[in-house]
Amino acid sequence: ETGVTQSPTHLIKTRGQQVTLRCSSQSGHNTVSWYQQALGQGPQFIFQYYREEENGRGNFPPRFSGLQFPNYSSELNVNALELDDSALYLCASSTPTTTDTQYFGPGTRLTVL
Amino acid sequence: GQNIDQPTEMTATEGAIVQINCTYQTSGFNGLFWYQQHAGEAPTFLSYNVLDGLEEKGRFSSFLSRSKGYSYLLLKELQMKDSASYLCAVRDLQSNYQLIWGAGTKLIIKP
Repeated sequence: ETGVTQSPTHLIKTRGQQVTLRCSSQSGHNTVSWYQQALGQGPQFIFQYYREEENGRGNFPPRFSGLQFPNYSSELNVNALELDDSALYLCASSTPTTTDTQYFGPGTRLTVL
Repeated sequence: GQNIDQPTEMTATEGAIVQINCTYQTSGFNGLFWYQQHAGEAPTFLSYNVLDGLEEKGRFSSFLSRSKGYSYLLLKELQMKDSASYLCAVRDLQSNYQLIWGAGTKLIIKP
C-alpha cells in the first residue's frame, strides 16, 4: 500500500451533475497529481498541485478544477458532467526530489449515465 | 510532439522471460518510469531510469537508451500474478516535468 487514499471508491452520476473527488497524500508528500484513465488506456494528466498552488495542467476543460489544502490533501471537482467523463480517476502524491516518483491511490471509478 | 509507443498485448508462459518495449519521442526527456497495473487497481511503481543502462531489481529489470528513445522492462521467472498491464511513462521538461504515459501493455501469463 502506498499510503495514498481516495474517496469515494465508486460513484454514479447523471449528465449535467457535479462531482467532488477526494485524495489524501502519503505522509511527507506535498505534491498531488490527478489523472483520468479510460478503460484500456494510460492515465491522462489533469493537473498537479504543489503547496496549494496549481503547478501544471493537462488538456482538460475548465469544468475540471481542483484544490489542495494545507495538509496537502486535495479535491478534484468536475462540473456539468458528460458521458465521456466516465473513467477511473487517480490521484498520485510525490515530493519534488530527483526521481519525483509518484505513488497512486486506489482510484475512484466514476460512471456518468 | 510527444509520443510513447508500447505493444498493446503480449503473452508469455509461466517461468519464462518476457521483454516489454517502449519507444518515446519527447522534447525534453527527464526520466522514464515503469508501472504495473492490475485490472481495476491503481498503478504501482516498478522502476525509474534517467541514465543509459540497465537497472535490476529482483525479477524485474529496466533498460534505457536515451539516444534511441527506447526502454524495455524485462521480467524473469514469470509468475501468474505478473499478469497485468505495464505502463511506460516519461517525464518531460517541456511539459513542466509532467509524466506522459503510454497506453500500457497487457501481459497475459499462461501456465
